[in-house]
Amino acid sequence: AQTVTQSQPEMSVQEAETVTLSCTYDTSESDYYLFWYKQPPSRQMILVIRQEAYKQQNATENRFSVNFQKAAKSFSLKISDSQLGDAAMYFCAYSEDDKIIFGKGTRLHILP
Amino acid sequence: DAGVTQSPTHLIKTRGQQVTLRCSPKSGHDTVSWYQQALGQGPQFIFQYYEEEERQRGNFPDRFSGHQFPNYSSELNVNALLLGDSALYLCASSPIGTGIVHEQYFGPGTRLTVT
Repeated sequence: AQTVTQSQPEMSVQEAETVTLSCTYDTSESDYYLFWYKQPPSRQMILVIRQEAYKQQNATENRFSVNFQKAAKSFSLKISDSQLGDAAMYFCAYSEDDKIIFGKGTRLHILP
Repeated sequence: DAGVTQSPTHLIKTRGQQVTLRCSPKSGHDTVSWYQQALGQGPQFIFQYYEEEERQRGNFPDRFSGHQFPNYSSELNVNALLLGDSALYLCASSPIGTGIVHEQYFGPGTRLTVT
C-alpha cells in the first residue's frame, strides 16, 4: 500500500526562526513527484513546493526548501525565517498514476 | 483568471439522503479530481474525470459517483449518506498529460455534515 508518514502531529516555532517538518513515504515506483501542501484555516490547499524524484537537486522556493533523500524515502520541509502567515496544516504528499496520496499532516504554530 | 470553484460551501444532510457537490475547474484545465478529507486527516483520492469519463478511482464504495460535463465542470454524488461521510470534499483541476499531477490546483472545498 502506498503510504505517507508525518511523525510530528504538531510543531511550534518562534517567529523568524527555522523549522523542519519530517516526512517519509513508501513507494515501489522510481518516477514520481513529491509535494508539500499548506492548508490554512480557510481550507484552501496550497502547493508550497514540489520535487521530481528523478532530480537529485533539492527544490527551493524562497523561504521553503526540501531535503530529499530518495534511498531513505525521506522528504523533509525546511521553513526559514518563519512568519505568522506560515501557521497552518502542512501535508506531505506524493504522486502515482496521476493521483496524489497525502499524509495526515503536521499542524505548525508560529509563536510571536 | 478564476481558480477552482466549488459549491456549496457548507451543506447539512440527514443519514440516508443523497447529496450533489459541484466543481468548476480552473480556466484551461480539463481534468477534475475529487478528494475526501475527514477531520484531522489528509485528503483521500475518490476519483478523477477526463473527457466526461471516470479515468481512475480510489477505494470508495459505489455510493460515490461522479459526472463531468462538456464544459469540464464536475459533480460528485453521494447516495445513502452515512455519518462517516461527514468531511471536507475537495475538488482539484489540472491539465491532461504531464500536468495532471504537478499542476493540480485545489478548490476551497465543500464541508458536508451528515446528521
